[in-house]
Amino acid sequence: DAGVTQSPTHLIKTRGQQVTLRCSPKSGHDTVSWYQQALGQGPQFIFQYYEEEERQRGNFPDRFSGHQYPNYSSELNVNALLLGDSALYLCASSLRGYTSYNEQFFGPGTRLTVL
Amino acid sequence: AQSVTQLDSQVPVFEEAPVELRCNYSSSVSVYLFWYVQYPNQGLQLLLKYLSGSTLVKGINGFEAEFNKSQTSFHLRKPSVHISDTAEYFCAVSRRDDKIIFGKGTRLHILP
Repeated sequence: DAGVTQSPTHLIKTRGQQVTLRCSPKSGHDTVSWYQQALGQGPQFIFQYYEEEERQRGNFPDRFSGHQYPNYSSELNVNALLLGDSALYLCASSLRGYTSYNEQFFGPGTRLTVL
Repeated sequence: AQSVTQLDSQVPVFEEAPVELRCNYSSSVSVYLFWYVQYPNQGLQLLLKYLSGSTLVKGINGFEAEFNKSQTSFHLRKPSVHISDTAEYFCAVSRRDDKIIFGKGTRLHILP
């Protein structure tokens, strides 16, 4: 049973560019959440997708957007990259919509470096 | 709004010694509490969670935590650590059906 997978593993971009990160949830899971983990910090919630809709959003600007496909996989898009967007981006999947009651399973993350 | 404070950024401990990682939270309502572990170059893994009921929660890999409502704490303990416990540990809090708020993490160093 494959766990949560993310691609790519590493990515280097320059300021102003756009980036797309991808996530495949654990088999059987229908909900995907995205987190940003800056160096030396804990993960910060970006948003969560369930039934192809954004259900909750953290304190991130509109430059951060996402999408969920019918197969439950998800993308995180970041436009107009800033140096401060450099971080590890984590995807987590869970079952049956967003609730903190259900365990989230995390992927290994995508390391984004903005130069 | 909820918040989490992990009181130590790094904790060194000798192998086979006990360890306690401290976590305090603030919230005006009932919360769920979590401890996650992050091994080098990996995602987070849930160690244990407190949702309700018994205040002593047992998790994987021999870890346990105690919910103390009066002190708003949720400290993580292990009676005897192993070199494989070297990792970063995150305490987290959430309200029901709300996003999870993570602390800044505590790096556990196991000394031989």
